[in-house]
Amino acid sequence: DAMVIQNPRYQVTQFGKPVTLSCSQTLNHNVMYWYQQKSSQAPKLLFHYYDKDFNNEADTPDNFQSRRPNTSFCFLDIRSPGLGDAAMYLCATSREGGYQPQHFGDGTRLSIL
Amino acid sequence: GIQVEQSPPDLILQEGANSTLRCNFSDSVNNLQWFHQNPWGQLINLFYIPSGTKQNGRLSATTVATERYSLLYISSSQTTDSGVYFCAVVYAGNNRKLIWGLGTSLAVNP
Repeated sequence: DAMVIQNPRYQVTQFGKPVTLSCSQTLNHNVMYWYQQKSSQAPKLLFHYYDKDFNNEADTPDNFQSRRPNTSFCFLDIRSPGLGDAAMYLCATSREGGYQPQHFGDGTRLSIL
Repeated sequence: GIQVEQSPPDLILQEGANSTLRCNFSDSVNNLQWFHQNPWGQLINLFYIPSGTKQNGRLSATTVATERYSLLYISSSQTTDSGVYFCAVVYAGNNRKLIWGLGTSLAVNP
């Protein structure tokens, strides 16, 4: 089945140690999104790619960066994770944006030691 | 910007009961989605429903775009329905960004 795949499901890293989360899709969608979700809150958009065009949310910390080397893959890099970055990270895709639904992966739960 | 309000914030049901969750939004929307987030954190797409009515098994949804609300119906609830239900919309002011409600937390007791 076509889908959005996130690896790993659980990631543990040390305070200040860079970490990369990955997302792949078999839907061939143009748009890929990264969200951060903390406990009991709605997902918060960090940034999205429309094809290779990167769009950063104004309140996304500089500590968070992203790469999209091709249509299928997108990476979230956290350069120096702090305790406040412990959260669920969700990747989503959509065909063209606003008029099309977003499809989510199962998420990566990040813990910081 | 657009406001998305969900009610009720919390709901407790006995297994087999029916319920209605509501989502109000303050501006015209291009997209409305209902999601279920299970206790393991997986976000499951229930409906893409900018207008009209859809049904999927025990769940159905209706969006009345002209009156700016959507309803999610859960019939014959099961313990596996527990979790948080989110409504999220895309409006004309920002064509790719989902604006989320705060969710309805549902607990279904056996």
